[in-house]
Amino acid sequence: GEEVAQTPKHLVRGEGQKAKLYCAPIKGHSYVFWYQQVLKNEFKFLISFQNENVFDETGMPKERFSAKCLPNSPCSLEIQATKLEDSAVYFCASSERREKLFFGSGTQLSVL
Amino acid sequence: DQQVKQNSPSLSVQEGRISILNCDYTNSMFDYFLWYKKYPAEGPTFLISISSIKDKNEDGRFTVFLNKSAKHLSLHIVPSQPGDSAVYFCAAPGGATNKLIFGTGTLLAVQP
Repeated sequence: GEEVAQTPKHLVRGEGQKAKLYCAPIKGHSYVFWYQQVLKNEFKFLISFQNENVFDETGMPKERFSAKCLPNSPCSLEIQATKLEDSAVYFCASSERREKLFFGSGTQLSVL
Repeated sequence: DQQVKQNSPSLSVQEGRISILNCDYTNSMFDYFLWYKKYPAEGPTFLISISSIKDKNEDGRFTVFLNKSAKHLSLHIVPSQPGDSAVYFCAAPGGATNKLIFGTGTLLAVQP
């Protein structure tokens, strides 16, 4: 597609439940990025992929967060046993090279 | 360690006047800088970029200036229009994999 598609737009989970977010990058883009926007304007890098390979995972919380980009499937970001502090907007972005990212409209995760 | 800083959380400008958004950085190794614009409930969209070997880049109403000695860049919007009202982020690629590091954003309000 011509835009990065993120689903769902909103996700509500009780504390301790699992959350799974999806991202379909722009066709032909090799790189996929996940960012977390916790406070209104602060973007925290989580992980990037080059095709289906993890490129940089230095921002990923080690224990509860995982992500995948498999061929012919949307990329996914999964949070096991969500905590209140995981409430945020999660943005996915894709790019042909590593610069000039194209962002999706985000998934608002609310953990209650 | 905030490598990219936007010290003005908000800016209000009259329609038709110039908007100047500022960004400071600490890492002199950044190769280029980007400005993104974000509307509520949408992902950031790329606006303009500048290579570290240049001191100015212009695209229509948008001009970015880079002052390497001061580690400072600014985005000028002339003339400002109400549709420019948004949050503006400066960003630079950092770390071993050049992941984008974002500033905390400046909310621009253009008054009709």
